[in-house]
Amino acid sequence: EAGVAQSPRYKIIEKRQSVAFWCNPISGHATLYWYQQILGQGPKLLIQFQNNGVVDDSQLPKDRFSAERLKGVDSTLKIQPAKLEDSAVYLCASSLVDLYEQYFGPGTRLTVT
Amino acid sequence: SQELEQSPQSLIVQEGKNLTINCTSSKTLYGLYWYKQKYGEGLIFLMMLQKGGEEKSHEKITAKLDEKKQQSSLHITASQPSHAGIYLCGLYYGNKLVFGAGTILRVKS
Repeated sequence: EAGVAQSPRYKIIEKRQSVAFWCNPISGHATLYWYQQILGQGPKLLIQFQNNGVVDDSQLPKDRFSAERLKGVDSTLKIQPAKLEDSAVYLCASSLVDLYEQYFGPGTRLTVT
Repeated sequence: SQELEQSPQSLIVQEGKNLTINCTSSKTLYGLYWYKQKYGEGLIFLMMLQKGGEEKSHEKITAKLDEKKQQSSLHITASQPSHAGIYLCGLYYGNKLVFGAGTILRVKS
């Protein structure tokens, strides 16, 4: 069974530029999560989708971050414009259903200079 | 997160030694997850503990849940270089999986 796929693995941008990350969850997993992990901290949930609907985006900085999951399969997370404090690893995870074991992708390491 | 505190923050052990990592919750423990993360990689699920007194093992890693203390401990027996990484505990709180800051484990061979 293929795992959660993410791309790119690494990205370096300058502040005020925009960036997008892509995630393809495990086939059949209805729930998809985006996490932000700042160095030295645990992952923090940014947004959770159930199929193509948003379940929780309370911690998503909506003035600059946006995410979509069209067709209820893969998802993109965008940052526009990026700030220095957005430097982090962005992790995508999926689970069969909500409140169940989550499987994580390898993450995208973003550096904002 | 403020809900979960892990100790120690980091640990260096000699190969072959045993070690314990603790995760203490400020909320009632129900459904405590342990994950392992290697640098630059995603999280790998280790095990989930659901009720007080529960104990689970995965290879040489054993985790226990103490509901009264609101604490879970992760014990590694006879550590190996392959055990090195960041160990994270996670707890569902308000339908959201929140994580501790992690414990960095280095194993010296």
